[in-house]
Amino acid sequence: EVQLVESGGGLVQPGGSLRLSCVASGFTFSSYWMHWVRQPPGKGPMWISRIYSDGTDTIYADSVKGRFTISRDNAKNTLFLQMNTLRAEDTAIYYCVRGFYYSSDYWGQGTLVTVSS
Amino acid sequence: QSALTQPASVSGSPGQSITISCTGTSSDVGGYNYVSWYQQHPGKAPKLMIYDVIKRPSGASDRFSGSKSGYTASLTISGLQAEDEADYYCSSYTSSSTWVFGGGTKLTVL
Repeated sequence: EVQLVESGGGLVQPGGSLRLSCVASGFTFSSYWMHWVRQPPGKGPMWISRIYSDGTDTIYADSVKGRFTISRDNAKNTLFLQMNTLRAEDTAIYYCVRGFYYSSDYWGQGTLVTVSS
Repeated sequence: QSALTQPASVSGSPGQSITISCTGTSSDVGGYNYVSWYQQHPGKAPKLMIYDVIKRPSGASDRFSGSKSGYTASLTISGLQAEDEADYYCSSYTSSSTWVFGGGTKLTVL
């Protein structure tokens, strides 16, 4: 069974940093692109980043470019999102998502990030 | 990248069919056959229902179907059931090698 389990969310002040982790199981993690998608409370999802299966290529949404960094450790089946210079508008549930062709077939349960003073 | 345009809400009675539209531009929906549809129940993560415009992943009901014409993709749900009541989001790959979602459509089963 495919499982994606995120952790690392919480309350952080504006300008602060957080590092999210996502542990994958039930599939060959190193064979799949992975994404981070966030969803502000009461709003729709927003794609924020993708990383190739081998970690050699990454891409970001304009709203997080230069502040967020996606990475992965295929030996530990783990995806990361380093988030710096956080803003109130970054408040959202952050989902770890498995790439499936040009779509996404498995989503984690999400971890809530709240940016507030 | 602007969000794809979806109607805020649609409704239908059990057994009926409904269609949800998703309008984009030549840089996303109109330019690629990489439109996906997701179903999201309250408090749950989105679930993939359609990918590559018309394909159903294993586990998705065959009452769900997708299509596309020009810059507009559509999701049709036939034989509406109470369990179909949820939020639905479309998504498309874009010319910037990124992805964009729609604003979402709330489906009410009357």
